[in-house]
Amino acid sequence: DAKTTQPNSMESNEEEPVHLPCNHSTISGTDYIHWYRQLPSQGPEYVIHGLTSNVNNRMASLAIAEDRKSSTLILHRATLRDAAVYYCIRGPGASNFGNEKLTFGTGTRLTIIP
Amino acid sequence: KAGVTQTPRYLIKTRGQQVTLSCSPISGHRSVSWYQQTPGQGLQFLFEYFSETQRNKGNFPGRFSGRQFSNSRSEMNVSTLELGDSALYLCASSWDTGELFFGEGSRLTVL
Repeated sequence: DAKTTQPNSMESNEEEPVHLPCNHSTISGTDYIHWYRQLPSQGPEYVIHGLTSNVNNRMASLAIAEDRKSSTLILHRATLRDAAVYYCIRGPGASNFGNEKLTFGTGTRLTIIP
Repeated sequence: KAGVTQTPRYLIKTRGQQVTLSCSPISGHRSVSWYQQTPGQGLQFLFEYFSETQRNKGNFPGRFSGRQFSNSRSEMNVSTLELGDSALYLCASSWDTGELFFGEGSRLTVL
């Protein structure tokens, strides 16, 4: 049970913004939304996480719907290096991250077109 | 600082054998989690250790086990290997909060 739903694949042109959607309609009030990505031949790497309000960091932005049933990871200007599988995960917040099983699902494979 | 180190990176075993994989977390991290990644099932949670105690366990048979040492290094063991155990085994460490740092994985092939 992945608990989140993502498209299997997406394509985007290089240097254009990318919006990766995630549906988490059964999210609890205390669950955070975490995004990780996995580049080819590497382990996953953290991208961003948030609870209710939109979040920004140097890698991406996370827009969370007001009802929290969906969210969107935004890459503002895609580069070839952003080609990866992106995982959207529901999970506990920072203080209790290790105490629940994390279900990564199969993610969205993002292809960047030069 | 050094990242998460997993050894060995690649290994080949035959059915019925057992295997032990090692994970050295980032210095200061006390939580270590293990995941199995296969093309069909994606990333699946195996178990998580914190301060030498298993805090959570995924839905894997008892052939999969793990432990954590006082220096936070962790090992996982798979006994009586089956063909379906062929996978990339990933280890992730964290201090105890949010962000997981993954190693590059140990790729196991069972013949």
